[in-house]
Parts: sequence; C-alpha cells; structure tokens
Amino acid sequence: KQEVTQIPAALSVPEGENLVLNCSFTDSAIYNLQWFRQDPGKGLTSLLLIQSSQREQTSGRLNASLDKSSGRSTLYIAASQPGDSATYLCAAPQGGSEKLVFGKGTKLTVNP
Amino acid sequence: SQTIHQWPATLVQPVGSPLSLECTVEGTSNPNLYWYRQAAGRGLQLLFYSVGIGQISSEVPQNLSASRPQDRQFILSSKKLLLSDSGFYLCAWRVGRGTEAFFGQGTRLTVV
Repeated sequence: KQEVTQIPAALSVPEGENLVLNCSFTDSAIYNLQWFRQDPGKGLTSLLLIQSSQREQTSGRLNASLDKSSGRSTLYIAASQPGDSATYLCAAPQGGSEKLVFGKGTKLTVNP
Repeated sequence: SQTIHQWPATLVQPVGSPLSLECTVEGTSNPNLYWYRQAAGRGLQLLFYSVGIGQISSEVPQNLSASRPQDRQFILSSKKLLLSDSGFYLCAWRVGRGTEAFFGQGTRLTVV
C-alpha cells in the first residue's frame, strides 16, 4: 500500500528565499509523481508531473526532482514570492493502479 | 482546451437528506474521472473512479455512490446524508493512467 508523507507540515519564509519541499513515498514502483498547489477553499492546481523515467522537471521558478530508488521527490521554489503562499501537495500512484495517493501537504507562507 | 466544471460550490444539507454533486469535463473524450474528499487533517481520500461510461470503482465503503451516465459526466450521490459526510469534495480527470490529473474547484458540503 502506498503511503505518501510530506515534511514539513508548515513552512514560513521571507520573500526572496529559495526553498525545498519534501515528499516521500513507500512504494517505488510508480509510473509518475505529480505536484499540486491548493489555495484556501479552492481546488488543486497542477504544477508539475514528473515521469518515472525523468529525474527532473522544470516550470518557471519551480523544479521537481524524483528519485525512485530512495522513494523521494523534492519541489524546489526559487526566489519565493508572497503569491507562492499556498498548500503544496504531492501525489503518487498506488502500484500500477488508477489510484493517486496524496500527502497531507506542506502549508507555505512567504512573508513580504 | 480542456476544462472541468463542478457544482455547486457550497452546499448545506440536513442529516438524512439526499445529495447529488455533478462534475463535467469539456474538451476531451473518454477521460478517467475521479471523486475525492478532503477532510481537515486527513488529506485527500479517493472515493470513486471511472475509466468509462457505467464503469465505477469504489474505494471506500460508505453511504455514497457514483454514476457516469455520459462520457464526460460524473455524479456523486447519497440517499441519506450523515454528519460525517461533511467535507470538501473534488472531482478530477485525466486522459490516462500516466498522464497529468486536473481538478475542479470543489464543493464544500456541510451536513447539519
């Protein structure tokens, strides 16, 4: 059974800082991993999808890495801005199934 | 482009009343469709998913049910709501197992 853990649960940083969010998963037989952003009271916005054959995926100031062997993924945010404040969630599939298992998220606050 | 619509945005229902939440996807054919529930402190829980019309897989036994009467329509229902059904319900879609998942804006359900 896939279990996804995100540490820390909350993070507060000053504007302009580079930061890393962590995601770990127990079942390394995944075909991809996806990072999402959720603003309060809203749905999830897809940030990055990284396939199992990739090691990194980049979109603007965001960079996601995936290490299947160690069961870890990281989301790197460069030059953080107050608008980056949100909860960030990662999701990994359970085995080869349709089921996506989510972590509980990291709540990020970027202070101006 | 593809879009997902979910309604209503908020709903307050008395215990024992019926429920119907609707989700539709535009701009794609034969999507995989998902219903998730997000409860405070518990993360996202997969409730149902569907890979085609009339094909529903249930992940959690409970008093909820799902139906897919049309290719791009996914409905979450209950005959009698419980207090424990309160939460944030999210619909999602993706083209196939290895592809990016997209979420709707969610429905906040409060059972009173």
